[in-house]
Amino acid sequence: LAKTTQPISMDSYEGQEVNITCSHNNIATNDYITWYQQFPSQGPRFIIQGYKTKVTNEVASLFIPADRKSSTLSLPRVSLSDTAVYYCLVRRDAGNMLTFGGGTRLMVKP
Amino acid sequence: NAGVTQTPKFRILKIGQSMTLQCTQDMNHNYMYWYRQDPGMGLKLIYYSVGAGITDKGEVPNGYNVSRSTTEDFPLRLELAAPSQTSVYFCASIGQTYEQYFGPGTRLTVT
Repeated sequence: LAKTTQPISMDSYEGQEVNITCSHNNIATNDYITWYQQFPSQGPRFIIQGYKTKVTNEVASLFIPADRKSSTLSLPRVSLSDTAVYYCLVRRDAGNMLTFGGGTRLMVKP
Repeated sequence: NAGVTQTPKFRILKIGQSMTLQCTQDMNHNYMYWYRQDPGMGLKLIYYSVGAGITDKGEVPNGYNVSRSTTEDFPLRLELAAPSQTSVYFCASIGQTYEQYFGPGTRLTVT
């Protein structure tokens, strides 16, 4: 499975848009990009996944360029409750193996 | 629909003791997983199962065993607890849309 690299931490302020970029240079043709959110003392929670171009749901947007070697999770107008660790993962089409990296620790300040 | 449930929530073990961490899901998912998460780190896959009767090792299986006799249950067994197994353990299952659903975790301390 492709290894992912993302920033260790990011700071933001309430109301700002936050973009977290993840690189996955060795992504394979049948790999999907998936993002999870984890609050302290809780299990990770699925946010969004995509294969190419742009995916949007009620929580976030995911931008994937044509070469798919990176992806950007966009959180619009963050609030204090968005303070969490965000994990970028690559999963093979069959979906049965997920490898979590270190994640990005997002701190939203008032 | 309770999702993925885990018991116990907390446990303290002495070195050399054994215990079983329980995991149950009520979503009829075939794929189930066990992860451990050390403080400040990401999750590491211990074991996974693609269906009843089928299990396979993940990244860090040493010191653990699993079984999958039913679709719902996927218990994790620690035979001879060691301080290195102090961690938070998460069970998860995956549905048809490949979203992974995680349980609330079991915080284990081995002293």
